[in-house]
Amino acid sequence: AQTVTQSQPEMSVQEAETVTLSCTYDTSENNYYLFWYKQPPSRQMILVIRQEAYKQQNATENRFSVNFQKAAKSFSLKISDSQLGDTAMYFCALNTGFQKLVFGTGTRLLVSP
Amino acid sequence: ETGVTQTPRHLVMGMTNKKSLKCEQHLGHNAMYWYKQSAKKPLELMFVYNFKEQTENNSVPSRFSPECPNSSHLFLHLHTLQPEDSALYLCASRSTGYSNQPQHFGDGTRLSIL
Repeated sequence: AQTVTQSQPEMSVQEAETVTLSCTYDTSENNYYLFWYKQPPSRQMILVIRQEAYKQQNATENRFSVNFQKAAKSFSLKISDSQLGDTAMYFCALNTGFQKLVFGTGTRLLVSP
Repeated sequence: ETGVTQTPRHLVMGMTNKKSLKCEQHLGHNAMYWYKQSAKKPLELMFVYNFKEQTENNSVPSRFSPECPNSSHLFLHLHTLQPEDSALYLCASRSTGYSNQPQHFGDGTRLSIL
């Protein structure tokens, strides 16, 4: 079975600072994909960044980057230069097959001025 | 424009009512999903449709009945729901060409059962 664990229910950061959200996962598959989704109060789940397990290079998207440690099954998200609009729930998700995403319980991030 | 549109945005219904949730995607995807999102719980996958065929029913009670008339539309018919069914119901779609393709979500329907 695949599982995704996010051990930080809530985090706070001040504007312009850097914050890292943790995610660990478990799967017996060798080929899989990892995603971070953001869900602001508007409710829409928005893709932030994705990582293919066979790629050693960490994915980056502007201010968002990941630290992918395959052996440790860790996939953390780093947000640099945090902005007020980054306030949201952040979900880590694992896709091992053709169809299914397994989500973590989420981390609520509050960015304050 | 999200590409995935869900209606209604909010729905309040009694336990004996019958209602339907609608999802429409304008992205040309061929897989569609229903999820249930409850407070402090991971998103729960309910149903998966691939090219209009149901390929996954994640042990969902029969009071939830999905319908997928074509690859662009997905419905969730609700009947005799329970208070614990109150939640945010999210629809998603995806292109199944490659496994790294992400799911695209709608804004969800907030369902409250009285």
